[in-house]
Amino acid sequence: SQQGEEDPQALSIQEGENATMNCSYKTSINNLQWYRQNSGRGLVHLILIRSNEREKHSGRLRVTLDTSKKSSSLLITASRAADTASYFCATDDDMRFGAGTRLTVKP
Amino acid sequence: EAGVTQFPSHSVIEKGQTVTLRCDPISGHDNLYWYRRVMGKEIKFLLHFVKESKQDESGMPNNRFLAERTGGTYSTLKVQPAELEDSGVYFCASSRQRHNSPLHFGNGTRLTVT
Repeated sequence: SQQGEEDPQALSIQEGENATMNCSYKTSINNLQWYRQNSGRGLVHLILIRSNEREKHSGRLRVTLDTSKKSSSLLITASRAADTASYFCATDDDMRFGAGTRLTVKP
Repeated sequence: EAGVTQFPSHSVIEKGQTVTLRCDPISGHDNLYWYRRVMGKEIKFLLHFVKESKQDESGMPNNRFLAERTGGTYSTLKVQPAELEDSGVYFCASSRQRHNSPLHFGNGTRLTVT
């Protein structure tokens, strides 16, 4: 299975700080995607990074991809209380997710 | 465009009963996925349809689970007979393409088996 594995399991920061989450996967990929889940809701797509890209930005989000290490990271800059959610990654070879990183941003 | 809709939003049934969950994907989305999340654990993949065909059903836990996608439109997931361990939130997602295409998720059906 290509299942994305996110770490850490939980992360708690103060508003205004940066949050970094990591994702590892097992074999070669086409693309990797990051999603966010607010409590009680479905996942929402954040960003897709292609295997030939090393970094991608979208607003306060920055995603990196290291295919040699089979890993990706999601950086949220200048975090807000509204960023409190669980974050997941998946490769689009099989769209399998892990347990996610639970981010809490304290006001 | 209308989003992915799931029905019901909540279901409470007794062990041994049958429940059918429904998912209406976004129109034109050939790919449809079912997932289940038990509190705090991974979002477990169940299966993937491409149009009406099951592309990958390796995540289906056992033969008590039956998924269908009639005519390549909406999908149903039936659990019969339900067991306690089937409790969780069942998510459906759809996408236009197999690759390079984000998944659009419904808000899930929370199933409680007592």
